[in-house]
Amino acid sequence: NAGVTQTPKFQVLKTGQSMTLQCAQDMNHNSMYWYRQDPGMGLRLIYYSASEGTTDKGEVPNGYNVSRLNKREFSLRLESAAPSQTSVYFCASSLEGSLTDTQYFGPGTRLTVL
Amino acid sequence: AQKVTQAQTEISVVEKEDVTLDCVYETRDTTYYLFWYKQPPSGELVFLIRRNSFDEQNEISGRYSWNFQKSTSSFNFTITASQVVDSAVYFCALRGYSGAGSYQLTFGKGTKLSVIP
Repeated sequence: NAGVTQTPKFQVLKTGQSMTLQCAQDMNHNSMYWYRQDPGMGLRLIYYSASEGTTDKGEVPNGYNVSRLNKREFSLRLESAAPSQTSVYFCASSLEGSLTDTQYFGPGTRLTVL
Repeated sequence: AQKVTQAQTEISVVEKEDVTLDCVYETRDTTYYLFWYKQPPSGELVFLIRRNSFDEQNEISGRYSWNFQKSTSSFNFTITASQVVDSAVYFCALRGYSGAGSYQLTFGKGTKLSVIP
């Protein structure tokens, strides 16, 4: 099992460009999440998907869109990148999004917006 | 609202010393879960432990131990006989009810541990 995989690992964008971060999991989990990590800020939830076909906003959703393509895949799109979106992005998954769940994380994507 | 505070931003210890990482949390929930994750220099987040709010027994796993005290809303993490490989950022996190049927994970800002050989 690969667990949670993310592509790309690194990306540099110019302000205004768009891109999609890809995430896939092979653990048959129902719930998936996107976080961003900024220095001194911990991890903050951008969007999550409790189950296939549903998505909801987290703490910092502005400037992002998501798509739950199927049970395995959850993508994060930046339509018009801004320097404030320079961050490390983590995808995570958990079995069912319940209180008792443990979230497992991908390796992260380091994004720089110039 | 939930909150997790890791007051120690950075800690440096010499190899073989013991070190305790502090975590204090706030929640109005009576049922919640607490987690610790490790982020080594390579960047990935590694799950270490999960503890529910009804289980205040201390847990030991090798050189790692966790002390959960509900009375002080703390879930501290101790590394005994630290090693260079323990150098990482450690995150404490709380999972409780966030409303609208969802349960979200709230992270502390992390403690960077440097173990000096």
